[in-house]
Amino acid sequence: RKEVEQDPGPFNVPEGATVAFNCTYSNSASQSFFWYRQDCRKEPKLLMSVYSSGNEDGRFTAQLNRASQYISLLIRDSKLSDSATYLCVVNEGSGYSTLTFGKGTMLLVSP
Amino acid sequence: DVKVTQSSRYLVKRTGEKVFLECVQDMDHENMFWYRQDPGLGLRLIYFSYDVKMKEKGDIPEGYSVSREKKERFSLILESASTNQTSMYLCASSSWTSGGALAQETQYFGPGTRLLVL
Repeated sequence: RKEVEQDPGPFNVPEGATVAFNCTYSNSASQSFFWYRQDCRKEPKLLMSVYSSGNEDGRFTAQLNRASQYISLLIRDSKLSDSATYLCVVNEGSGYSTLTFGKGTMLLVSP
Repeated sequence: DVKVTQSSRYLVKRTGEKVFLECVQDMDHENMFWYRQDPGLGLRLIYFSYDVKMKEKGDIPEGYSVSREKKERFSLILESASTNQTSMYLCASSSWTSGGALAQETQYFGPGTRLLVL
């Protein structure tokens, strides 16, 4: 059974802090990886894809370690608006396959 | 902007009722999905469809069926609602986009339907 495991959370951090989320996946054949963000009582939305070489989008950096089957998301200079649940998502292949979602890690950024 | 709409934001039904949840997307996406989301369990895939009139079971299809008569519409049917089907139901759609040698799939979600079965 495909599994995606995330840090349990919640993470409580002050504004300006740097916070890192970790995720592991069980299927070594997994091909593509994503972080989604879900605000309270809202639908999930794509935050960023995760590429093998690692990628950065402003204050957000995603890393992938295929050998360890590990994905991370780093948020620098946290803002109040970053408070949300962050979902680690894995697609096992490039054919007709489906996404497997982690249960999410909640982030609470306080003033 | 991709738009995925769901017929109801909140729904209250009684045990044994037949329930229809409708989802419509306006981006001509091939793929559509139904999930349920429960506290502590995350998103779980119920059914998905890669083409009109085509359907595939997800991880938890029991007690559900689906219909995809038109490309833009994907319906989830609870044949006889039970209290353990009280949940948040999320519809999503996607299309394949090329990302170098690897096709990437981004799923776009509707706002969700909170279903309460009494």
